[in-house]
Amino acid sequence: AQSVAQPEDQVNVAEGNPLTVKCTYSVSGNPYLFWYVQYPNRGLQFLLKYITGDNLVKGSYGFEAEFNKSQTSFHLKKPSALVSDSALYFCAVRDMTNAGKSTFGDGTTLTVKP
Amino acid sequence: DTAVSQTPKYLVTQMGNDKSIKCEQNLGHDTMYWYKQDSKKFLKIMFSYNNKELIINETVPNRFSPKSPDKAHLNLHINSLELGDSAVYFCASSQVIAGTETQYFGPGTRLLVL
Repeated sequence: AQSVAQPEDQVNVAEGNPLTVKCTYSVSGNPYLFWYVQYPNRGLQFLLKYITGDNLVKGSYGFEAEFNKSQTSFHLKKPSALVSDSALYFCAVRDMTNAGKSTFGDGTTLTVKP
Repeated sequence: DTAVSQTPKYLVTQMGNDKSIKCEQNLGHDTMYWYKQDSKKFLKIMFSYNNKELIINETVPNRFSPKSPDKAHLNLHINSLELGDSAVYFCASSQVIAGTETQYFGPGTRLLVL
């Protein structure tokens, strides 16, 4: 079985400050991990993914995420938030052996205030 | 060109009616999905097709019937619509490369059942 948790419904940060959106996962094997962003009234857009290799993954729009196997976490980070980063963020996980099915978290709404 | 397109964008209908949502992808991907996003923004997978073959069928009422005439299309037919079917339905597609995939989402179909 696989599952993913985003413990925060809402994250608020001031523009220019660093941001972190948290994600923890559970899989029986090795994970593939993803972050997607959803802007209002739009579909989800891919941000970044972890497959293997370097634990720090860099993605679109200056976002990065760090895979931490011991803590089973894949937190999304950005050094300096922009107002335009305000959106709904989804973490997703897929067990490497579970072909075709990713499990999405419940989403975290990020609000960046000017 | 839009990579994953859905029609219609908005659908307002009465309880008990039957409706269809269409999805097309021009990315050449082998796998397509239907997701339901409820009013709380939770995203749940409903179905997945790979090369026109059903590979994921989550616990979804059998009033929902997907149909894939070819690998570029995955349509969703809903019989006897109920109030609880009101949601945003997202189509997505993906291609497995190096053992993993990135999903590309359509813009969503906003279904309101009155």
